[in-house]
Amino acid sequence: GDSVTQMEGPVTLSEEAFLTINCTYTATGYPSLFWYVQYPGEGLQLLLKATKADDKGSNKGFEATYRKETTSFHLEKGSVQVSDSAVYFCALSYQGGSEKLVFGKGMKLTVNP
Amino acid sequence: GAGVSQSPSNKVTEKGKDVELRCDPISGHTALYWYRQSLGQGLEFLIYFQGNSAPDKSGLPSDRFSAERTGGSVSTLTIQRTQQEDSAVYLCASSLETVNYGYTFGSGTRLTVV
Repeated sequence: GDSVTQMEGPVTLSEEAFLTINCTYTATGYPSLFWYVQYPGEGLQLLLKATKADDKGSNKGFEATYRKETTSFHLEKGSVQVSDSAVYFCALSYQGGSEKLVFGKGMKLTVNP
Repeated sequence: GAGVSQSPSNKVTEKGKDVELRCDPISGHTALYWYRQSLGQGLEFLIYFQGNSAPDKSGLPSDRFSAERTGGSVSTLTIQRTQQEDSAVYLCASSLETVNYGYTFGSGTRLTVV
């Protein structure tokens, strides 16, 4: 079935470091891809999305490109801040006739000053 | 409302009791979803509503779990005869029409079964 595999961490970085969180997927069709973020004590928020191959989603300095040839949607940010400390989830829209999202297990990022 | 509202935010219950969890989606959002978030398990899909009907309830773990939605708005997730393994954060989300719009999540109900 459809699935998402992502780095699980936890990962600790220093402020201004470069961030990459790997995400690969398995799907029978052409899913839309998403990154969600959960800040401490808050609910999940949509960070960015891409709905077709080669689309790039971007928000708050984060970017991810939908790569159909490598079935990947890696999240990147050039210079992380302490406020980026959160849990990051990669997700795809299920192609089996439902409207559900299939999530990866999440990766906890801590950014130190 | 401005966001997805869930109540209660925390619930402690004794094993064997029934619990009801409530979700009030964003006004106008026709799609509503319930997920469960357990430590180390990620997010587990439970059920999806479109309007008042549930085209996909494949994620409900057992017949102790049920959910309904009325008036195309508020939804209630009911867990009967709670077990310790039901302890988790139960998340509700809504979406304008389809999943490709992205979900808006509520803050969740933390359920602890003792």
